[in-house]
Parts: sequence; structure tokens; C-alpha cells
Amino acid sequence: DARVTQTPRDKVTEMGQEVTMRCQPILGHNTVFWYRQTMMQGLELLAYFRNRAPLDDSGMPKDRFSAEMPDATLATLKIQPSEPRDSAVYFCASAPGGGGETQYFGPGTRLLVL
Amino acid sequence: SQQGEEDPQALSIQEGENATMNCSYKTSINNLQWYRQNSGRGLVHLILIRSNEREKHSGRLRVTLDTSKKSSSLLITASRAADTASYFCATDAGYGNNRLAFGKGNQVVVIP
Repeated sequence: DARVTQTPRDKVTEMGQEVTMRCQPILGHNTVFWYRQTMMQGLELLAYFRNRAPLDDSGMPKDRFSAEMPDATLATLKIQPSEPRDSAVYFCASAPGGGGETQYFGPGTRLLVL
Repeated sequence: SQQGEEDPQALSIQEGENATMNCSYKTSINNLQWYRQNSGRGLVHLILIRSNEREKHSGRLRVTLDTSKKSSSLLITASRAADTASYFCATDAGYGNNRLAFGKGNQVVVIP
């Protein structure tokens, strides 16, 4: 049963610390998305990649967030330095091709920045 | 801003009843999707309806699409306690590059 995996599932850190979240998309999926979910803002798209190349990261605060795909099996989202307002659940999703069709979500990383 | 907006925002029903949720959007679309999110979990795709379709069924789910009104509805028939979740609609248009824009979600509580 192919699924998107994310690590860690939960992360508590102090303000100013670096946070790295990892995602393993479903094998063969060439489009990867990073979302952030909060009660106030709902689900926001931060960035997404196709064939490992960034297509759009306009939803991401550039000064502190960075997203990469070192290889086809790993996507990373880093926050440096982290701030309390970054507290949210971060989801990774992958799609088989082209996006716009079904997206498959990981279980999320719940981040709390104190 | 979110492309899709669900209505009503929260719904509480008895097990066995039907639940209906609506979603409106602003721009032309190629398809509209509905996703479910159980508490503490990621979103799960339920059903996709294309712009040239008016109705689609999947098990106890029925989705309608009215492109002239830019709206969609999701009907869950004979609800079960396990249907308790948040339901999101998502559209593919308005951004290009095959992004999906999600609504804010519609919380459904099914009381056993």
C-alpha cells in the first residue's frame, strides 16, 4: 500500500532553532507539494516541485523557509530560524504527474515553536 | 485567498442521516475534488468530478457540479460515525501549473 511518509510526526522546539521536515513521496510520483495548515489560515500551499525542480514557492516566507528535493525519494522543508508563528501542521503531498489531479497526503508534521 | 469555500462550515447529524455540503469557487475549472481529513491525519482524496460532468457517485458519496453557478455539493448518504471528519473541496484552476486551491473545510460530526 503505497503512501507518503513524513518525519518527524511531532516536533517541539524553541524559537530560533532550525527545523527540518522530511517527506518521502510515493514512488513514481513526480510532483511534490508542501502545505501548512492552521486553524486561522486553513491549508496553505508553501511550495511545490515537479521532477525535483521547484515550480512555485511564492507561498513560502523566503527569509526563513527553504524547500529542496535532493533526490526523487526525498523532499525537505527547513525553517531557520523558527518562530512561534510557524507553529502549524505541515503536510507533504505527492501526485503522479502534472498535478491538478489527485494528491496523496502524508500524515503531517505537527510543529510547535515555543 | 482560498478558491473553494465550503458551506455550511460545521454540521452535526445523527447516524443514518444524510449530510450535504456545498462548495463555491470563483474561476473556471477543469476539475473539482473533495477530500476528507480525519482528526490528526492527512487529507484523503474522495472523489474527482470534471468540468464536463454534472454528477458522480462513489459508494455512499454523491457529488454534483454546476459550472454555471460555480458550485458543487457533496452528499454523504446513510452517514456513519466513521464519517466524522472535515471535508474540503479543491479546484485546479486560477493558478496554472496544476496547483490545487483548497477551501477552509467543513466539519461534520456524526452522532452514533
